[in-house]
Amino acid sequence: QQPVQSPQAVILREGEDAVINCSSSKALYSVHWYRQKHGEAPVFLMILLKGGEQKGHEKISASFNEKKQQSSLYLTASQLSYSGTYFCGTVSVQGAQKLVFGQGTRLTINP
Amino acid sequence: GAVVSQHPSRVICKSGTSVKIECRSLDFQATTMFWYRQFPKKSLMLMATSNEGSKATYEQGVEKDKFLINHASLTLSTLTVTSAHPEDSSFYICSATLAGVLETQYFGPGTRLLVL
Repeated sequence: QQPVQSPQAVILREGEDAVINCSSSKALYSVHWYRQKHGEAPVFLMILLKGGEQKGHEKISASFNEKKQQSSLYLTASQLSYSGTYFCGTVSVQGAQKLVFGQGTRLTINP
Repeated sequence: GAVVSQHPSRVICKSGTSVKIECRSLDFQATTMFWYRQFPKKSLMLMATSNEGSKATYEQGVEKDKFLINHASLTLSTLTVTSAHPEDSSFYICSATLAGVLETQYFGPGTRLLVL
């Protein structure tokens, strides 16, 4: 079952912060975050494998709440280059082991 | 590291012809490769999972005879769209992983297929 991302779209000014959420109805083994720019393939940002794990990558970080079956992606002091569509992908503990992507969150950063 | 290439990047073909798309892992051996399809402004939909030397596992609703997948080596998987029709027009993306679905998937640049 596809994880649900929120919000669907967000528009920011450069330097502002954003949070993108990803929720699943199933117990999760891992959460993967990707960014895709128009016409290009998704680019890997990070993977979270353990409940409660928080990972950082420059000004982009993420947390994984295993109990709540959700993950959040944090973008701080956003840059123009952060624009794109962000996808979370989840692998469930039970059932078919495959990466299922959310519907995406379109992030637009304006100068 | 972890570079995945796809070829061709863009293809236009006539209805009824077959199109082959190659996916290569350039600097690592990929035990598992995945094929996705993405329509404009939509999410990535998994079509099939491909393991080297074995038959691909197709997702529900994906026709095996229409989308032929061959994973001949640890660095190459091919997707052949047979007897393509306009509704097959889409963005096809492959990904590769070192150790199965639980690990990071590295995506190729994608192939845009337009069937006239």
